[in-house]
Amino acid sequence: DAGVIQSPRHEVTEMGQEVTLRCKPISGHDYLFWYRQTMMRGLELLIYFNNNVPIDDSGMPEDRFSAKMPNASFSTLKIQPSEPRDSAVYFCASSQTSGDGNEQFFGPGTRLTVL
Amino acid sequence: RKEVEQDPGPFNVPEGATVAFNCTYSNSASQSFFWYRQDCRKEPKLLMSVYSSGNEDGRFTAQLNRASQYISLLIRDSKLSDSATYLCVVFASGSARQLTFGSGTQLTVLP
Repeated sequence: DAGVIQSPRHEVTEMGQEVTLRCKPISGHDYLFWYRQTMMRGLELLIYFNNNVPIDDSGMPEDRFSAKMPNASFSTLKIQPSEPRDSAVYFCASSQTSGDGNEQFFGPGTRLTVL
Repeated sequence: RKEVEQDPGPFNVPEGATVAFNCTYSNSASQSFFWYRQDCRKEPKLLMSVYSSGNEDGRFTAQLNRASQYISLLIRDSKLSDSATYLCVVFASGSARQLTFGSGTQLTVLP
């Protein structure tokens, strides 16, 4: 398996622009997580899905952030409009219910810079 | 108070040294514990689970003290390749597959 796939790997945009981050989880995994990592705040959970349904979005910082999972193999995290304080590394991770279901497999991340 | 707190670090140790990281968690309902490793500019990856009886994986030993809500990771005979950030991770019942990550402790092993 290719692991969790994220795109783009790097994104540089200007304040006010819309940013869309994409994630393909590992096939067969029924949980998908979006995290944000910064030096100041560490790794923060933004939202997670189970079987494509959002379960907990309490970590989403504000209404500018939205996430969707239209099917089991694709999810997006959108920021509109983007602000400089959104600059961070955004990770997508997936896990499965069976077996050692607590292990989360992370994608390589998207490094976002908002100017 | 943070749910998961770790030694702030950074730890700079010579090759071959033994180094220990500590972690405390605040949720007494926590049921599973892990150490993840994150290399510079890479994603976190599971290093090892932590069991109540303690467990070893080669040069790595993890310990759990539920009474004190304390987790540790010991690295013996450290290698240059051990240089990374080590994240203490806790899973509490009722949170589905949601993990809580500590802020991490940075380790640099020097030649």
